[in-house]
Amino acid sequence: GDSVTQMEGPVTLSEEAFLTINCTYTATGYPSLFWYVQYPGEGLQLLLKATKADDKGSNKGFEATYRKETTSFHLEKGSVQVSDSAVYFCALNTGFQKLVFGTGTRLLVSP
Amino acid sequence: DTGVSQDPRHKITKRGQNVTFRCDPISEHNRLYWYRQTLGQGPEFLTYFQNEAQLEKSRLLSDRFSAERPKGSFSTLEIQRTEQGDSAMYLCASSSLTSGGGINEQFFGPGTRLTVL
Repeated sequence: GDSVTQMEGPVTLSEEAFLTINCTYTATGYPSLFWYVQYPGEGLQLLLKATKADDKGSNKGFEATYRKETTSFHLEKGSVQVSDSAVYFCALNTGFQKLVFGTGTRLLVSP
Repeated sequence: DTGVSQDPRHKITKRGQNVTFRCDPISEHNRLYWYRQTLGQGPEFLTYFQNEAQLEKSRLLSDRFSAERPKGSFSTLEIQRTEQGDSAMYLCASSSLTSGGGINEQFFGPGTRLTVL
């Protein structure tokens, strides 16, 4: 079945550091890929998405590129802020079906 | 439209009691999903509806769980004879054929946190 694997956290960084959170997937067909973010005490918010190979999703300084050859969708940000502290979830869906999520990666950014 | 709403936000119950949660999707969305999220894990799919039809149920959804969407608008998720293992965040999401440019972008509610004592 479809699955998503994320790097385990927490990821602890100082403000202005470079962020990478790894995500790889296994899927039948051609999935759409997503990063969702969950801030403390809040619901899931879509951060960015990509629908086909080599697409780059971007939002709020975060980027991720759909790499079909490596089945990856790594999340990156050039300079993190304290306000980016949250849990980040990689997810996929194929067609109009359910989302399959990774286990989440907690990011902690200190001043 | 203020997005997907869920009620209640928190529910504490004793083992063996029944509980019911409500989800109101974004008004123009015809698809509605339920997920369960336990501590430290990603959301896991439970079931989804297209309009009032329940199209798929996860094997996680035991016979103590039932979901309805009677008029294709709001949905309810009921858990009968709750167990401590049912303690989790229950998330609702909605989407439409055109949300996210036709890729079934799902919009999530804030969730209902269930604690079974």
